Amino acid sequence: QVQLVQSGAEVKKPGASVKVSCKASGYTFTSYGISWVRQAPGQGLEWMGWISAYDGHTNYAQKFQGRVIMTTDTSRSTAYMDLRSLRSDDTAMYYCARDDCTDGVCYLGPNWGQGTLVTVSS
Amino acid sequence: QSVLTQPPSASGTPGQRVTISCSGSSSNIGSNYVYWYQQLPGTAPKLLIYRNDQRPSGVPDRFSGSKSGTSASLAISGLRSEDEADYYCTAWDDSLSGWVFGGGTKLTVL
Repeated sequence: QVQLVQSGAEVKKPGASVKVSCKASGYTFTSYGISWVRQAPGQGLEWMGWISAYDGHTNYAQKFQGRVIMTTDTSRSTAYMDLRSLRSDDTAMYYCARDDCTDGVCYLGPNWGQGTLVTVSS
Repeated sequence: QSVLTQPPSASGTPGQRVTISCSGSSSNIGSNYVYWYQQLPGTAPKLLIYRNDQRPSGVPDRFSGSKSGTSASLAISGLRSEDEADYYCTAWDDSLSGWVFGGGTKLTVL
């Protein structure tokens, strides 16, 4: 079965960077893209961007452009999300989610990681 | 401020039917599919409805989705206590070239 397992919780100081990993199993990694979605405490969901696991093509939400880098390591079937210049309002649960595609239309599918809590505090 | 608009809360008694609305614009709901997620406390979102009205396998037929113009709705019939959760709608936005979400609706089963 498809599984996405994320790295553990992180505590960072303002201005630092954080790199969250998302290890996939149960399917051919390069056949589907991965999105990253975050959720601040008590708040709603926010899409951060997407990466193709096939060719590394990325599409970042405008809000995060210049501050986020998404990568993959196909040899490890793992996707990474690197967020820089952290601020207190970046404190959130970060999720990876695999695409599902129907008739050529892809969307945030049913397979999500368990989430990684990133806390930014001085 | 979310791009898609949902009521912050909804409620119903066991067995009732409740609907949750999601309002957008021509660049998102008006021209793309709508998806619905259920999020139980402390867990990752779970896909409930895809492509406006399709249910993934394993999702009970008590859950149904619909779309008309720039609005969409999620209906839950035969409400059960375990349906108490947050519900989010999402759609691709052509202007933003990204996924946009509603602010979420907290469903309380009285």
